[in-house]
Amino acid sequence: EVQLVESGGGLVQPGGSLRLSCAASGFTFSSYWMSWVRQAPGKGLEWVAVIKPDGSEKYYVDSVKGRSTISRDNANNSLYLQMNSLRADDTAVYYCARGSRGIDYWGQGTLLTVSS
Amino acid sequence: DIVMTQTPLSLSVTPGQPASISCKSSQNLLYRDGKTYLYWYLQKPGQPPQLLIYEVSNRFSGVPDRFSGSGSGTDFTLKISRVEAEDVGVYYCMQSIQLPRTFGQGTKLEIK
Repeated sequence: EVQLVESGGGLVQPGGSLRLSCAASGFTFSSYWMSWVRQAPGKGLEWVAVIKPDGSEKYYVDSVKGRSTISRDNANNSLYLQMNSLRADDTAVYYCARGSRGIDYWGQGTLLTVSS
Repeated sequence: DIVMTQTPLSLSVTPGQPASISCKSSQNLLYRDGKTYLYWYLQKPGQPPQLLIYEVSNRFSGVPDRFSGSGSGTDFTLKISRVEAEDVGVYYCMQSIQLPRTFGQGTKLEIK
């Protein structure tokens, strides 16, 4: 069974940093593109970033480009999203998701709140 | 970026009746490999999204056959042949022909 478990969310002040993590199991993690998708409270879905299986290619939505870094540790089946210079509009539930063209499985999400 | 536009934004359906959601993209979603990268998701209350349909018309594993997808190019439709109470939630279409991936605004399905 595919499982994706996010962690690392919390309350952060504007301008702060945070690293989100995703533990994957139930599939060969090193063979899949992996994505982060977020959802602001009461709003729709916004794709954030994606990383190639070997980590050699990374792509971001413009609103986080230059402030965020997606990375992975295939030895430990883990995906990360480092977010810096956080703003109020980064407040959202962040989902780890398997795939790039075909996003098929999603984690339960972790809530990041940016507020003073 | 490709803009995805869903209609209607909300839907109230009597159990057993059909439902239909439209999704239009601002660009053709047919890729050079012959596939059309249009996906449908359902987000039930308090849950993450779950994949229903991939590449326009293919039901994902475990998805009931009352769900069907159709369309081509820029116009797509998700149909539920007979709505059940468990189908409530928000339905999203997503394009994955181009980065950034983009979603429709969502269509909220309620039961009458």
